[in-house]
Amino acid sequence: SAVISQKPSRDICQRGTSLTIQCQVDSQVTMMFWYRQQPGQSLTLIATANQGSEATYESGFVIDKFPISRPNLTFSTLTVSNMSPEDSSIYLCSVNPSGSVNEQFFGPGTRLTVL
Amino acid sequence: QKEVEQNSGPLSVPEGAIASLNCTYSDRVSQSFFWYRQYSGKSPELIMSIYSNGDKEDGRFTAQLNKASQYVSLLIRDSQPSDSATYLCAVNRFGNEKLTFGTGTRLTIIP
Repeated sequence: SAVISQKPSRDICQRGTSLTIQCQVDSQVTMMFWYRQQPGQSLTLIATANQGSEATYESGFVIDKFPISRPNLTFSTLTVSNMSPEDSSIYLCSVNPSGSVNEQFFGPGTRLTVL
Repeated sequence: QKEVEQNSGPLSVPEGAIASLNCTYSDRVSQSFFWYRQYSGKSPELIMSIYSNGDKEDGRFTAQLNKASQYVSLLIRDSQPSDSATYLCAVNRFGNEKLTFGTGTRLTIIP
């Protein structure tokens, strides 16, 4: 597995502002994943972040709304831009540390509330 | 049809009994299957992975996979109150690192 940390753990933001969430891993990983979990719902993949290339976004998610950075093999950020109350959710990063099997391990999450 | 389907529950099981959680998937080229446990307010925790047909046991947990029926299950023996959580089934498609999650089954172990 891997030790994954996220910052901030929670935040309350005003409509129209942006929040950048950080994800740090204790080992180098090729792929990092960003998910959203809306209240009472399951996990929805936002995008896959590879180091050295642009993130790959899932249907319904766009780079302008959720820009992602991946400057090295242990770190990534997800920005939630121009927030609305509908963006209130838990945002989770995950990693696949082994590379050979597709087990993913999750960070503790960032609980975002947009007023 | 959803890609990964689970009964949302809640599923109530007496302490000490066997809890049985079920998951079906629609994509026949799925190759890897995972069970995650998520406590309220916490992130998902990987508890079991299974890749080939049959049973895989780890302590009180047994994962069962039947690719012909596109069905994967998780059995929890000697259920404990600490097993009360939402259990998420996740499926990985061959050649793709992404996971697709079911909606989860909320399990409550009754003391």
